[in-house]
Parts: sequence; structure tokens; C-alpha cells
Amino acid sequence: AQSVTQLGSHVSVSEGALVLLRCNYSSSVPPYLFWYVQYPNQGLQLLLKYTTGATLVKGINGFEAEFKKSETSFHLTKPSAHMSDAAEYFCAVSDNAGGTSYGKLTFGQGTILTVHP
Amino acid sequence: DAGITQSPRYKITETGRQVTLMCHQTWSHSYMFWYRQDLGHGLRLIYYSAAADITDKGEVPDGYVVSRSKTENFPLTLESATRSQTSVYFCASSETPRAEKLFFGSGTQLSVL
Repeated sequence: AQSVTQLGSHVSVSEGALVLLRCNYSSSVPPYLFWYVQYPNQGLQLLLKYTTGATLVKGINGFEAEFKKSETSFHLTKPSAHMSDAAEYFCAVSDNAGGTSYGKLTFGQGTILTVHP
Repeated sequence: DAGITQSPRYKITETGRQVTLMCHQTWSHSYMFWYRQDLGHGLRLIYYSAAADITDKGEVPDGYVVSRSKTENFPLTLESATRSQTSVYFCASSETPRAEKLFFGSGTQLSVL
């Protein structure tokens, strides 16, 4: 079974500071990994994903994440936070086992990012 | 407008009543999903569908029923609503079976009194 743990339900940073949102996963097979962002009263939007290949993936709005198999981690970073980054962020894993899994994603509990002026 | 739409946006109902949440997508994506979002639990999969007339249970299917007679529609029915089903419900679609990119609707906020 796959699972996702996001460390820290709330993260607060100052505008211009580094953003680091932590995600650890467990999966019995090579995973697909995702970060989604949810702005207030909206659905989730894909921020970035790792499927295969390069372990450092870049997403929209200056975010990036690195897949570290040895640490079973997929932490999300952004060098300089902007006020518009304030949102809830979800890490997700798909075990891409094929068959009837139909890409079912398992989501973490979410991390609310607050950006202070 | 192209996209995935959910209705209603907000719904208040009473315990024991039947409620149907609607989901419509215009991309002709084969794969559709229903999630519920609860504080402290993230999103949990209720049901999913690989095509018209093909549906299967997710992580938390009890108390819910789905149908998919047409590719573009994937309604979710609460047969007899309970307070524990108070939640925000999201419908999503994907054009690939491995869901490399899910497209989400704006959600339905359901309160069961």
C-alpha cells in the first residue's frame, strides 16, 4: 500500500524567503509523485510531477521538487516566496502499478503555506 | 466553456435524505474520480471510473453510489446522508490511466444536519 506524509500542517515564511514543504512517501513499486496546490474555494491544480527520468523537476510559479529514492522524499521548494504563493499544498503518490489501479492517487494531509509581508 | 464543472456549489441537507452531486467534463476524458476532502485527512478517493459503465470503489466508498452512463457525466449519490458525510467533494478527470495530470472541479461543499 502507498502512503504520503507531509511534515507540518502549517508553514509560515516571510515574503522573499525560501519555501520548503516536506513530503515523504511509501510505495512498493517505483512511484509517480505529484505536488498539487489549492487556492481558497478552488479545486486542486497540478504544480509539478515526477514520473521517470530527471529527479529534479520544475513546475509552475518557480517551484521545484527533487525525488530522492534513498530518502523516500519529494520535498517542494521555491527560492523566494511571493504573497501569491499562499495556499494549501498537497503531495500525492501513485504507485503506477498498472492493471486496475487506474492511477489512483494517495494524497497527503496538506500543508497550508502562509506568506507574511 | 471547456472544463470540469460541479453542481451544486453548496448543499445543505438532513440526515437520511438522498443527495446527488453532479460532475460534468467537456474534454471526453476517459477517467473520472470522486474525492472527499476533510480536515486532517487530505483527499480520499471515493469512487473512480475508467470509462462509461466502468466504475470501481476507492478508499472510502461506503454510503455512496456512482454511475457513468455517459463519458462526460459522473454523478455521486449519497443514498441516505449521514453527518459523517459532511465534507467538500471534488470531482476530477484524467485523459490517461495513470493520472499524470488530474483536472479538478471547484468542489461541492455539503453539510448534513
